[in-house]
Amino acid sequence: KAGVTQTPRYLIKTRGQQVTLSCSPISGHRSVSWYQQTPGQGLQFLFEYFSETQRNKGNFPGRFSGRQFSNSRSEMNVSTLELGDSALYLCASRTGGSYEQYFGPGTRLTVT
Amino acid sequence: AQKVTQAQTEISVVEKEDVTLDCVYETRDTTYYLFWYKQPPSGELVFLIRRNSFDEQNEISGRYSWNFQKSTSSFNFTITASQVVDSAVYFCALSEETSGSRLTFGEGTQLTVNP
Repeated sequence: KAGVTQTPRYLIKTRGQQVTLSCSPISGHRSVSWYQQTPGQGLQFLFEYFSETQRNKGNFPGRFSGRQFSNSRSEMNVSTLELGDSALYLCASRTGGSYEQYFGPGTRLTVT
Repeated sequence: AQKVTQAQTEISVVEKEDVTLDCVYETRDTTYYLFWYKQPPSGELVFLIRRNSFDEQNEISGRYSWNFQKSTSSFNFTITASQVVDSAVYFCALSEETSGSRLTFGEGTQLTVNP
């Protein structure tokens, strides 16, 4: 089976712009979660989607949003980018009945 | 609130040495799940092991073993006969049943295995 894929792998944006990141889960996995990793804050949970519904949300401002499509692919959007949004954004997927999450390679976002 | 602490920031060993990574967790849930992930320089988090709160049996899987003790809220991970390819950042994580798949990660331990 193919693993979790994320596009793009690298992205450079300017402060104030918006960005959309994409994640394709492992085939058959209906749950997709997003995490932000920074040197200062470590790995932090953003949100989880299951069957196109957001099931859980971390402590991030409303500028961070996401959605999931009927094929389980997910996108996350960050509007009005700030310098502090520079991070590695990781996507993870799992089946509905399992607690193991499998991560993609991440998208490294740099905000200048 | 759930919390995971990895007190060891960095560990350096020589190849073939055994190394144990420490993890202490806090949770109010009675049902929870503990994980170890490995993050090599490429950045992808690789799932290693999972343990359920209701199963304290410790196991060995190849060169990996873990010691789960609810009495001390610890979930330590041991690599036997370490290899250079084991060099990575290792994360301990906790998921509470009431929080769905939300993972709370520790700070990570940078393991360097020298030849």
